[in-house]
Amino acid sequence: NAGVTQTPKFRVLKTGQSMTLLCAQDMNHEYMYWYRQDPGMGLRLIHYSVGEGTTAKGEVPDGYNVSRLKKQNFLLGLESAAPSQTSVYFCASSYPKGLAGGPRGNEQFFGPGTRLTVL
Amino acid sequence: RKEVEQDPGPFNVPEGATVAFNCTYSNSASQSFFWYRQDCRKEPKLLMSVYSSGNEDGRFTAQLNRASQYISLLIRDSKLSDSATYLCVVNRRGSTLGRLYFGRGTQLTVWP
Repeated sequence: NAGVTQTPKFRVLKTGQSMTLLCAQDMNHEYMYWYRQDPGMGLRLIHYSVGEGTTAKGEVPDGYNVSRLKKQNFLLGLESAAPSQTSVYFCASSYPKGLAGGPRGNEQFFGPGTRLTVL
Repeated sequence: RKEVEQDPGPFNVPEGATVAFNCTYSNSASQSFFWYRQDCRKEPKLLMSVYSSGNEDGRFTAQLNRASQYISLLIRDSKLSDSATYLCVVNRRGSTLGRLYFGRGTQLTVWP
C-alpha cells in the first residue's frame, strides 16, 4: 500500500496563477483533510471531507476550494494564488467510519507534503 | 486562546538524558489525546495515544490530567534518533468525528 500520496511535491507559482494539489489514499479511509503548516503556526486545517461528495470548511478556508469526487482522492485548489499562501501543504486521511473509536482511533495518516511558493 | 498550547523549545539534551514535554488544552470537552512526531521537512506521524490512566511505550511515557487539562510526554534514555518536533494533539468531544487540533510543536535535539 502506498498510504497517502501527494502531487506535486514542489511548486512555484506567480501571484494570480491557479493550481490544484492532488491527494490520494489507498486505505479506504472515509475522512480526508487538507492542512497548511507555517513556521511558528503549527498545522492549520483548511478543508476536510467526511465522505465522497462532501466537504466542509476548516480553520483557514479562504482562498481555497476542495472537491472529493472519488473516495480515494481529495483535491485542493487555489484559484488565484497569493504570497500569503506560500506554505507546506499536508493531506491526511483517517479510519473508516465506525472504527475511529478504537485504540488508535482518530489516527490521521499524512502524505509527504507539497512545498508551495507564491512569488 | 489556542486550542492546544505547547512550549516550542528548543530542548537540547545529551544522549541518555530524560526529557519531558508539557501541553495544555483549552476545551474541557476534549476527548482523545495524542502525541505525534514530525521529523524535519517530513510529515507528522502518530507516536502514541494518551490514555486517562497514563500509558507507556518503551522509553516513552504519556500522562493525562483532565482536571488540569494537561498532557505530558516523558522520554527516557534519549537517542539521537529522537531528535524531532513533538506535536500535542487533541480531539474534541462532539466535533466532527476525526477532526484533530494540533499544538505548534516542541522541538527536541539530542546531541552525542
